[in-house]
Amino acid sequence: AQKVTQAQTEISVVEKEDVTLDCVYETRDTTYYLFWYKQPPSGELVFLIRRNSFDEQNEISGRYSWNFQKSTSSFNFTITASQVVDSAVYFCALSEGNTGKLIFGQGTTLQVKP
Amino acid sequence: DAGVIQSPRHEVTEMGQEVTLRCKPISGHNSLFWYRQTMMRGLELLIYFNNNVPIDDSGMPEDRFSAKMPNASFSTLKIQPSEPRDSAVYFCASSFSPGGGRTEAFFGQGTRLTVV
Repeated sequence: AQKVTQAQTEISVVEKEDVTLDCVYETRDTTYYLFWYKQPPSGELVFLIRRNSFDEQNEISGRYSWNFQKSTSSFNFTITASQVVDSAVYFCALSEGNTGKLIFGQGTTLQVKP
Repeated sequence: DAGVIQSPRHEVTEMGQEVTLRCKPISGHNSLFWYRQTMMRGLELLIYFNNNVPIDDSGMPEDRFSAKMPNASFSTLKIQPSEPRDSAVYFCASSFSPGGGRTEAFFGQGTRLTVV
């Protein structure tokens, strides 16, 4: 069965620190998709990134970077030079088969203190 | 594009009442999903539609829950009768899936339901 595990429940850092959010997934599918979403205090879910199972290239977008490693079934998310506005709950998710249905991890609450 | 639009944003109702949540997906998207978020269970899929047809409703908790998608631009999630344990945030999401789960889903702002 598909599963997403975010072992870190809460992380607290001071502004400008780098922080990595861990995500480990389980799936039997050979083709799958991984996602990260951000849920700020206002409550909406904001899409951050999608990664295909056949593309293991790391990706960088501004202060955000993602490290996808199929060998360890991990899809970790790093925020460089964190800012207070990064404070949110971050969800890692796995897309099941060809349906587009998302299986979410439990989320990691990130608090960035000034 | 206005994004996925959900209404109402907040709903407080008494136990036993019928509740209807509404969703307008992004124009051109052909998949629509209803998720529920609670502290205990996190984010879980209730039902999803593809081209207006319900494909998988295995996440619907019980017969009190029903969902419809009469056309490509509108969906409803109904709870009748509502119970306090239905209190949660309900999200609607849509995506364009030309042949599978290859595109990201965009979420509405959610409806916070409180059943007292």
